[in-house]
Amino acid sequence: AQSVTQLDSHVSVSEGTPVLLRCNYSSSYSPSLFWYVQHPNKGLQLLLKYTSAATLVKGINGFEAEFKKSETSFHLTKPSAHMSDAAEYFCVVRTYGGATNKLIFGTGTLLAVQP
Amino acid sequence: GAGVSQSPSNKVTEKGKDVELRCDPISGHTALYWYRQSLGQGLEFLIYFQGNSAPDKSGLPSDRFSAERTGGSVSTLTIQRTQQEDSAVYLCASSLRQGVNTEAFFGQGTRLTVV
Repeated sequence: AQSVTQLDSHVSVSEGTPVLLRCNYSSSYSPSLFWYVQHPNKGLQLLLKYTSAATLVKGINGFEAEFKKSETSFHLTKPSAHMSDAAEYFCVVRTYGGATNKLIFGTGTLLAVQP
Repeated sequence: GAGVSQSPSNKVTEKGKDVELRCDPISGHTALYWYRQSLGQGLEFLIYFQGNSAPDKSGLPSDRFSAERTGGSVSTLTIQRTQQEDSAVYLCASSLRQGVNTEAFFGQGTRLTVV
């Protein structure tokens, strides 16, 4: 079965410093992985997705994630945090096969950006 | 439409009443999902539609919950005899197809409060 584990429920950084949000996955086959962001009182927005074409995936707003099979990780990074990055971030794996085809969400990481 | 549309955006209902939540997916999207987001529970999968069929309804929490999709488009999630524990934000998402690398687009959600 597929699953994702987000290692930090809360991360706080200062504006202009790097962001690292950690995600480990479990999958019996090549995973399909995504990062979504949810700003307060807003819907979920796709940041980026891993499609096995490249291990380093670039997304919107300067975010990127690196797929590391040896570490079963898909950590989200950004070189320099902006105040507008404050939001909740979800690591997601798609599980499929047979009758099912659904996205399984991690528990989320709440990112705070201090001025 | 331009995005996934959900209505109503907010719903307050009395315990024991039935409620219907509506989702209009992006035009042409064949896959549709319902999720529930509540404090302490994260994002829970409820049901997945491919066209008008629901091959995976494993996340529906009880027989008070049901969903249908007509014309391969609009979907309705019905909760009968609502309970206070049903209070949550109900999110709908759609995908162009059921491919493993296909991202899902989410609506803004319906915030349901059972009093």
